[in-house]
Amino acid sequence: DTGVSQNPRHKITKRGQNVTFRCDPISEHNRLYWYRQTLGQGPEFLTYFQNEAQLEKSRLLSDRFSAERPKGSFSTLEIQRTEQGDSAMYLCASSPTGGARNEQFFGPGTRLTVL
Amino acid sequence: ILNVEQSPQSLHVQEGDSTNFTCSFPSSNFYALHWYRWETAKSPEALFVMTLNGDEKKKGRISATLNTKEGYSYLYIKGSQPEDSATYLCAFRRGTSYGKLTFGQGTILTVHP
Repeated sequence: DTGVSQNPRHKITKRGQNVTFRCDPISEHNRLYWYRQTLGQGPEFLTYFQNEAQLEKSRLLSDRFSAERPKGSFSTLEIQRTEQGDSAMYLCASSPTGGARNEQFFGPGTRLTVL
Repeated sequence: ILNVEQSPQSLHVQEGDSTNFTCSFPSSNFYALHWYRWETAKSPEALFVMTLNGDEKKKGRISATLNTKEGYSYLYIKGSQPEDSATYLCAFRRGTSYGKLTFGQGTILTVHP
């Protein structure tokens, strides 16, 4: 399967714990995006990487959130000191460079539940 | 703040019915409009990327139109089947973004056999 993969698919944690999610994009795609979806809403943009450079961050990404893409391939999203409001589906997407017609290919998401 | 609105929020139809959904988006600084289908426990699947005013795209029984001047897109499903049951999301891409998508809240379609 050469699509976008995300791990883990589900994560249950207690409030105050740290969690880390991983995204493996399609190999030739150099753009990578993280989105978050809460119940009843569409996905909301969190952050964007072009290769290893993090070029844009949403104001939704508080200082408890950090994302990396160290070698321009896979990416990790870490949430420190989780809160119940962090419970959501975290989606990763990748696309090739440029072009209005370029699709973003999504992974299946990581569903986080904070107890 | 970009507002992307979809209607209806949910829709129940019978197998064989044709249906359509609406997505409204800002008409200024338009770059692209994406449609996705998202089935439970799967990845969102890209249906269409639309860029030109007046675009019409078709994929099997699903088609979409685009009006960038007035800021809306329609998605049509002809002869709905139970396997069409999913959440349909539209997403707006602004010209100044790096490809960041702003999504509507989605339309949940349920097709009853």
